[in-house]
Amino acid sequence: AQTVTQSQPEMSVQEAETVTLSCTYDTSESNYYLFWYKQPPSRQMILVIRQEAYKQQNATENRFSVNFQKAAKSFSLKISDSQLGDTAMYFCAPQGGSEKLVFGKGTKLTVNP
Amino acid sequence: DAGVIQSPRHEVTEMGQEVTLRCKPISGHDYLFWYRQTMMRGLELLIYFNNNVPIDDSGMPEDRFSAKMPNASFSTLKIQPSEPRDSAVYFCASSLAHFETKNIQYFGAGTRLSVL
Repeated sequence: AQTVTQSQPEMSVQEAETVTLSCTYDTSESNYYLFWYKQPPSRQMILVIRQEAYKQQNATENRFSVNFQKAAKSFSLKISDSQLGDTAMYFCAPQGGSEKLVFGKGTKLTVNP
Repeated sequence: DAGVIQSPRHEVTEMGQEVTLRCKPISGHDYLFWYRQTMMRGLELLIYFNNNVPIDDSGMPEDRFSAKMPNASFSTLKIQPSEPRDSAVYFCASSLAHFETKNIQYFGAGTRLSVL
């Protein structure tokens, strides 16, 4: 079974600064996807970024990028130029061949003005 | 597209009552997922369907929970009888098995269930 660890329950960052959220996971799959979702106070789950495990190049999406270390099973999310609207819970979720997402416990990120 | 639509947004009921949560997936999507979110257990997958067929219901907590997908545009999650420990936010998500969009799950706004 897949397990996901997000070791930072809460983090805070000043507006315009950079923050990195960590995630480690365990999987027996050889090919899989990894996701970061955000959940703002509205509780809507929103996809932030996706990484395909067979791709060595780290995914980027505007201010969001990942540092994917397959051997270490590490998948961290970097948010550059943080904005107030980035305040949310962030969930790391690997996915194996069964289509199932396994979510971590989440990191609560607060962006301060 | 309107996205994944869940109803109701909020449900308050009394212990022992039957509760039915509804979900309309994104048109054309062939996977549908039901999740439950609580403070203690986080986000848990309850069951998922592929082409209206239940594939994995190992996350369904007990026989009081049942889910159906009678057609490609509608699914229900039913709890009968409901108990206070069922209080949670229930999410529905859908995805499309296509090489460009494969594995990306799109979530509804969730139903907050309170069982008194």
